Order: sequence, then structure tokens, then C-alpha cells
Amino acid sequence: KNEVEQSPQNLTAQEGEFITINCSYSVGISALHWLQQHPGGGIVSLFMLSSGKKKHGRLIATINIQEKHSSLHITASHPRDSAVYICADNFNKFYFGSGTKLNVKP
Amino acid sequence: KAGVTQTPRYLIKTRGQQVTLSCSPISGHRSVSWYQQTPGQGLQFLFEYFSETQRNKGNFPGRFSGRQFSNSRSEMNVSTLELGDSALYLCASNRGESTGELFFGEGSRLTVL
Repeated sequence: KNEVEQSPQNLTAQEGEFITINCSYSVGISALHWLQQHPGGGIVSLFMLSSGKKKHGRLIATINIQEKHSSLHITASHPRDSAVYICADNFNKFYFGSGTKLNVKP
Repeated sequence: KAGVTQTPRYLIKTRGQQVTLSCSPISGHRSVSWYQQTPGQGLQFLFEYFSETQRNKGNFPGRFSGRQFSNSRSEMNVSTLELGDSALYLCASNRGESTGELFFGEGSRLTVL
């Protein structure tokens, strides 16, 4: 069993749709990271959170420590949001989810 | 300010050789961590260095090693290369907090023939 489970693995949405990506972790937590990776490899850190909720533009990340679960929401999705989204549990070392490949169609 | 710089960006090696990859962190950042990304295994944590000391280590064999210099630049070395070591190797830096935001480099893509 992977320490970090992400769902869905693939997601296709129409422009403007509300999107949710889920992440469950089984080890402890110091911080939960959400990362975005575009084709070509570059990774950008979107959020780092250890409790509650954070918002940046159209992106919202939440975490429930008791349930060991985090979600990444994208409101009013746009084709430029198409990328792979990866969650990572930072507990001494990093444990990564397998990623969610998002394709937003115009 | 300049981002995280990794060199070389691409390299091809043959089995049995060794390789050294370099990572220059953002100025002022004292922590550098390394990751391997493959299509089959996804992203995996290799190790993290802070103030020239290895702070955390993933589950990789001893063929994978690293070090950090006094200017925070870091290198990782893979000895006795195997075909399965073909991957994108990424490094990330942060100011030094154990749970700080990560800033990634573009990666070094290694192909082992």
C-alpha cells in the first residue's frame, strides 16, 4: 500500500468546470504539499499546508488532519490548468502520490 | 533572483559508468533535496542536505550518494549505473525549514544505455 493515495489518476474537464483532486496519506504529517508539473518536467509548488485551508487565485487547498485527507480544488478551470498535480506528504522525508493528470478542454 | 539551476540538463551514459549531477540553490537557501522521477515509480525522494549534512534519506541503494558544499550547492552521484537508473533527477531548495516551501529546478534527464 502506498503511503500517499491520490485520486483520480486522470481527469478530463470542460473549461469553466469546478475540479477536485483528492489525496489521502497514511504516515504522519509535518506538511502536505501540492505540486504542479507541466509537460517538459518543471515542477511548481502550489501550496504547503499543515492545517485548514489556503487559497491562491482560483486554487484552493484544504486538509483534514484527523481524516488524513487533503483536497485541491480548481474553480473556473481553464486549459492552462492542464498539467499533472501531485500531492506529497512531508514527514521527515517525502512521500509522493502518483499524480493526477488533468486535461481541461476549451 | 535566479532560480534553482541544475546541470547538466541532459546526459547519456552506459551501464557501469558513474554520473555526477549538480544543483545550485536559490541564493540564501540552505536546504537542497533530490528526487528521482520515472514513468513507472513516479516521484521518489532521494535525500536532503542542510548545512552540508544529510538530514533525511529515502530508500535508495548506496550507489546513490550526495553531498553539499559550504555555499549550499549540492551534487549527487550515481555509481555503477543500471538501465533502471534512467530518469529525470530533480533537485529543490528551500530556506532551511524542515517543512518549507520547495523551489524546484528543471531537472537533469539521465539516459542509461
